[in-house]
Order: sequence, then C-alpha cells, then structure tokens
Amino acid sequence: QVRLQESGPGLVKPSETLSLTCSVSGASLRNIYWTWLRQSPGRGLEWIAFMYSTGSTDSNPSLKSRVTMSLDTSKNQFSLQLTSVTAADTAVYYCARWEGGRHGFDSWGQGTLVTVSS
Amino acid sequence: DVQLTQSPSSLSASVGDRVTITCRASQNINIFLNWYQQKPGKAPDLLIFGTPTSQGGVPSRFSGSGSGTDFTLTIDSLQPEDFATYFCQQSHYVPFTFGQGTRLDIK
Repeated sequence: QVRLQESGPGLVKPSETLSLTCSVSGASLRNIYWTWLRQSPGRGLEWIAFMYSTGSTDSNPSLKSRVTMSLDTSKNQFSLQLTSVTAADTAVYYCARWEGGRHGFDSWGQGTLVTVSS
Repeated sequence: DVQLTQSPSSLSASVGDRVTITCRASQNINIFLNWYQQKPGKAPDLLIFGTPTSQGGVPSRFSGSGSGTDFTLTIDSLQPEDFATYFCQQSHYVPFTFGQGTRLDIK
C-alpha cells in the first residue's frame, strides 16, 4: 500500500520560498502523476501542480510563475517550491498520487500546515 | 477554469437516510468527475472516480452518476461514519478544480 508523507517548515516569512518534500513508500515513482494540492478556509481545495515520472509537469495558471516541482527517484521523493509567498499562501499542503485520465487522487499525505507570517 | 458548484452546501440527515449531493460543472467534463470524503483534520479520501466507479474498499452504499455538466453522489442508508464533508473534483481540464464542499451533519 502506497504511503505519502509531507515534510518541511511550518512557518515561512512573506516574500520567501516555501519548500516541501513528499516521501513515497510502498511504490516507485514510475508511471504516476505526483501532485501537490492545498486547502485553506478562504480558497477551499486547490490543485497546485503535478509532475509525471518522466519529468513532464503542469501547474495551476494562478500559481505557475511561482511553482517548481522536482522528482528524486533515488530517494523516492518529490518536492514543491513556491516562491514569493504571501499570507494568501497559508494553507494545509497535501501531496497526492494520480494515475491520470479519469482517475482521482487516490492516495494523499496527511497534510502539513504552512503559515506565512513574519 | 471549470467551476464546480455543489448543492446543498450543508445537509442534516439521520442514520439510515438516503442522501443526494449534486455537483454542476460550468462546462462539459464528460465523466471526469470524482468524489471525496473528508473528516476533520484528515486528508480527503477518494470515494468515486470517473463518475460511477467506486474506489477499492468503498462501501457499496456510495454511488455516483451523471455526465456532461450534472453529477450526483448518493449515499444509501447513512451510517454514523458517513457524517463528513464531501467534495467533487474534475480531472478533465487543467487546472483541476474542486467544488466548495457539502457538509453532512447528524440531525
């Protein structure tokens, strides 16, 4: 059974870069779209970006200029960087797995709260 | 972006009731519609994908239907563990989008 676990700082200062890592156990990174999402009271659930195991990626146009994803197959991890954060980026961040097509996000990490504040 | 509008936003029901939650898309998304259940402090759990297909391990009392722009999640014979918030999500167009959620409370 695949398990995902987010890690990273819980507090980030405005204008700095949010960096999170998702560790995957129970499965390889192959042939899957690895995904980041977030949830906040004001914005609800929001899809941020995905990266396929080959490295192709896509992201939400509302965040595209600030988002970078990467995969580390040697560590079975993938990562998110979100630059120039503001208070509006305060949210619970989730990593998740998507097989593509008509599938949903079928495995999620437990989520990690990131607060943007000075 | 595809806007997903769920109704109702909240719902009170009793154990044993049958409840229906609807999700309307702002444009045709074929059958690329998924449903999730979320309990407080937890990540969403996938219930239904591709409109009618149940995720493995999901009880048969959960079912999904619809196509195009109008979709429905039905829960037959509510159980105590079903009281939660439910979200629809489309995976047809990037950016993937979610409904605002339907909170299901015990009456």
